[in-house]
Amino acid sequence: DQQVKQNSPSLSVQEGRISILNCDYTNSMFDYFLWYKKYPAEGPTFLISISSIKDKNEDGRFTVFLNKSAKHLSLHIVPSQPGDSAVYFCAAFGSSNTGKLIFGQGTTLQVKP
Amino acid sequence: KAGVTQTPRYLIKTRGQQVTLSCSPISGHRSVSWYQQTPGQGLQFLFEYFSETQRNKGNFPGRFSGRQFSNSRSEMNVSTLELGDSALYLCASSLGGHLNTEAFFGQGTRLTVV
Repeated sequence: DQQVKQNSPSLSVQEGRISILNCDYTNSMFDYFLWYKKYPAEGPTFLISISSIKDKNEDGRFTVFLNKSAKHLSLHIVPSQPGDSAVYFCAAFGSSNTGKLIFGQGTTLQVKP
Repeated sequence: KAGVTQTPRYLIKTRGQQVTLSCSPISGHRSVSWYQQTPGQGLQFLFEYFSETQRNKGNFPGRFSGRQFSNSRSEMNVSTLELGDSALYLCASSLGGHLNTEAFFGQGTRLTVV
């Protein structure tokens, strides 16, 4: 049962344009959602998170939007840079299981110069 | 402030052997979680330890076990290794509080079972 889904395995955008990565979830008990960036042979690096009581959180070039009724979140990167090329994972957990992150399958982002 | 340290970085074992992986969390962090990453299954939660107690457990067989020491360092053990256990094993540390929202990952241990 895939509780967190990233339906796009890959995404390619031009440098300077917007990258939009999408994530859907099924478990209504999730309270927090996080985005991680991962390079090969390295651990995931935390990017940005959002609580279920908010619908938007912004940090520099990264903005996460949460649509609770649709059980959907998205990560916007503006402007995209070649160094953003990596695998992006969305993850979620419920407040009763703070140490148990449920990850999506990941989306490979390629930003072309 | 030192990050999460996992040792060893790479490991090659044969089927049937057992292996122990180590994770040193960020100083002050009391929660350590373990994840398995494989190409087909993505990142899957194994278990979480908080204050030396297993607090959460994923859907892995009993061959996968772990423990946490009083200094919050954690070990993960896999017994009777199978070829399918080949994966990147990641640990993450966090403060572990009720509203903790951020987990920091180590670089992982790449286990190859031959």
